[in-house]
Amino acid sequence: SQQGEEDPQALSIQEGENATMNCSYKTSINNLQWYRQNSGRGLVHLILIRSNEREKHSGRLRVTLDTSKKSSSLLITASRAADTASYFCATADSWGKLQFGAGTQVVVTP
Amino acid sequence: DVKVTQSSRYLVKRTGEKVFLECVQDMDHENMFWYRQDPGLGLRLIYFSYDVKMKEKGDIPEGYSVSREKKERFSLILESASTNQTSMYLCATSPEAWDGYTFGSGTRLTVV
Repeated sequence: SQQGEEDPQALSIQEGENATMNCSYKTSINNLQWYRQNSGRGLVHLILIRSNEREKHSGRLRVTLDTSKKSSSLLITASRAADTASYFCATADSWGKLQFGAGTQVVVTP
Repeated sequence: DVKVTQSSRYLVKRTGEKVFLECVQDMDHENMFWYRQDPGLGLRLIYFSYDVKMKEKGDIPEGYSVSREKKERFSLILESASTNQTSMYLCATSPEAWDGYTFGSGTRLTVV
C-alpha cells in the first residue's frame, strides 16, 4: 500500500527556476526519504530526514518535515536540465521498510 | 560506493515460464528488498530479507518467491510467469533498518 502521496504528479519548469514538490503520508514514521529516478533506471537516494528534524539541506536540495501535518516538501533550487527526473518520497515504518509514493515527474527545459 | 547489480536489464519470457531475477550486492549489507514499479502505482514491496536464509512477504507476494542462500545474493522467482507480472523490477539494499536504500538499475520484464 502507498504511504506517501506526492503532489503535483507532474511539474514543468525552466532552468534556473525552483521546483517544489510535496509529500503527504498517513501513519507515524521513523524517517522520510526522497529519491530521484532518471528515465527507466533505478532510484537514487537523495536525502533522509528523521521524524525529530524539521529541515535538512543537501547542496541545492532543501527538505522540510511537518509531522503534525504528516507532510514533507522537497525544494530544488536553481534547477538544471539534469534535474529532469521523477522524484519519490518514501516513509520508513517501524520495521524499517520503505513505502513509496507514485512520484512527481519533473521536466526542466533549457 | 555500494554497487547493486541486477543480472538483466531487459527480459522477455513466455507465460507459464519459471523466471529468475538475480540481485547481487558487493557490500556487507544485511537488508535486501524486491520491488516492482508500475505506472501510476509507484513502487510496491514484493519480498524482503533482513538476514541470510530469512525472507518476509511484502505487500504483493502472490505469484513470487525469493531465495537468499548467501548474504550478497537475493533472487526473485516468478513460479509461473503471467502477463500481469510484466513490470519493472527493482532490487535494493540497506545496511541497517531505516537507512537509505541503494537500488540496482532495474530489470524490465515483459511476459508474453
